[in-house]
Amino acid sequence: QVQLVQSGAEVKKPGASVKVSCKASGYTFTSYDINWVRQATGQGLEWMGWLNPNSGHIGYAQNFQGRVTVTRTTSISTAYMELSSLRSEDTAVYYCARSINEAFDIWGQGTMVTVSS
Amino acid sequence: QSALTQPASVSGSPGQSITISCTGTSSNVGGYDYVSWYQQHPGKAPQLMIYDVSNRPSGVSNRFSGSKSANTASLTISGLQAEDEADYYCSSYTTSSTWVFGGGTKLTVL
Repeated sequence: QVQLVQSGAEVKKPGASVKVSCKASGYTFTSYDINWVRQATGQGLEWMGWLNPNSGHIGYAQNFQGRVTVTRTTSISTAYMELSSLRSEDTAVYYCARSINEAFDIWGQGTMVTVSS
Repeated sequence: QSALTQPASVSGSPGQSITISCTGTSSNVGGYDYVSWYQQHPGKAPQLMIYDVSNRPSGVSNRFSGSKSANTASLTISGLQAEDEADYYCSSYTTSSTWVFGGGTKLTVL
C-alpha cells in the first residue's frame, strides 16, 4: 500500500543538527512532491518546506529559511529533512507528507525530535 | 504568512451538525481554491478529509463537506458521531508558493 515510513526518534543538544528520513513505497516516488510539517506538543501544525523529488526543486517557509534543508535520494525513494542550529523550541513531531492537488494526502507516522541539554 | 484563524473549540451532540470556520486573506484562502481540511486523533498523524475546498478523498464519509466564501472556508460535519471527536486543521496554498495551516479546532462530541 501507499505509505511513508520515517526514521526513529532523536534526542539532540542545542546547537546541533538533526536529519529525518522519509521512505516512500507503493507509488512512484518522483511523481509527487514531499512536504515537511512539524507539530510541537499540544500545538498546531506548521508547514516547513517542500521538495519535488523529480526535479529537486525546493521551497521553504520563511520561518525556517537558512536552517532547513530538504533533499532526496531517488534510487531508494527517500526524502530527507535536516534542521540545524537546534533550540528547545524545535522540540516537536516532524512529519513528511505527500502532496497531490495542493493537499497532503499521505502522511508519515511522525518522528519525535527532542532538543535538550 | 500568519496562521489561518480557526475557533479553538466546537462541540455538538451525536446526530447534530457542526461547522468549523477557517479565515485567511486574499493571499491564501481567498486567492485560491486550494483549501484542505485534516482530522487528527490524539497521537496519530493527520488525515486528509477535504481538498480543493469541497472535494472528498476516496474513503471519507459524505458526512464531511467543505465550502468557501471570500476569505473564509468552512468544514461541516453532519450526523455527528463519537468517532468524529478529534482536532481539525485547515490549510491553504499561498501567493508565496507556500502552505499555511490554521491553529486547529478541537471538536468535542457531547
